[in-house]
Amino acid sequence: ETGVTQTPRHLVMGMTNKKSLKCEQHLGHNAMYWYKQSAKKPLELMFVYSLEERVENNSVPSRFSPECPNSSHLFLHLHTLQPEDSALYLCASRSDRQNTGELFFGEGSRLTVL
Amino acid sequence: TQLLEQSPQFLSIQEGENLTVYCNSSSVFSSLQWYRQEPGEGPVLLVTVVTGGEVKKLKRLTFQFGDARKDSSLHITAAQPGDTGLYLCAGEFVDSWGKLQFGAGTQVVVTP
Repeated sequence: ETGVTQTPRHLVMGMTNKKSLKCEQHLGHNAMYWYKQSAKKPLELMFVYSLEERVENNSVPSRFSPECPNSSHLFLHLHTLQPEDSALYLCASRSDRQNTGELFFGEGSRLTVL
Repeated sequence: TQLLEQSPQFLSIQEGENLTVYCNSSSVFSSLQWYRQEPGEGPVLLVTVVTGGEVKKLKRLTFQFGDARKDSSLHITAAQPGDTGLYLCAGEFVDSWGKLQFGAGTQVVVTP
């Protein structure tokens, strides 16, 4: 496999459920990102991991919990979500060694919270 | 939070026509990227510009970076249905290296 892979592609969950989104990159990058994409809104940066350490947390509610066990894998654990959390969640990776490095995105996980 | 404004939000044109999409900010970019996103896919990088006044061409796409590095434009000549997609600009500001801020995007639809 190459590139950035996200699973699941679609997820429907109730507000009391606990689920996780998974992201895997095979590009040798050392930085990984979670973005939230809602209709007609800019992509919202949620979390950034560089060398497996969280370097950015953009005031994201605690019901979203990221985990980066190694430089190739990134998870987003979901717990007690709200309907307004329904969105496309995009994972991306990048090489921090390049100042203007390209972000490589996965295809996204479409989340619906009922 | 520094904002990027994209205009227009939506553009529908006929095949063969030209179009221009704009990206503006009140702050200076250290670099700016343009991405295209198709339905069911993640955004894919089209170009990165870093020098004020820079012009880059990618087949029928022409990208300009403003002299003051606060604005950019994407011009498509003789648009084709395959150009349909969401065009996103993403800027890295001089005081926030490593953090890309995205615009809301311009949805372009090219009909045959």
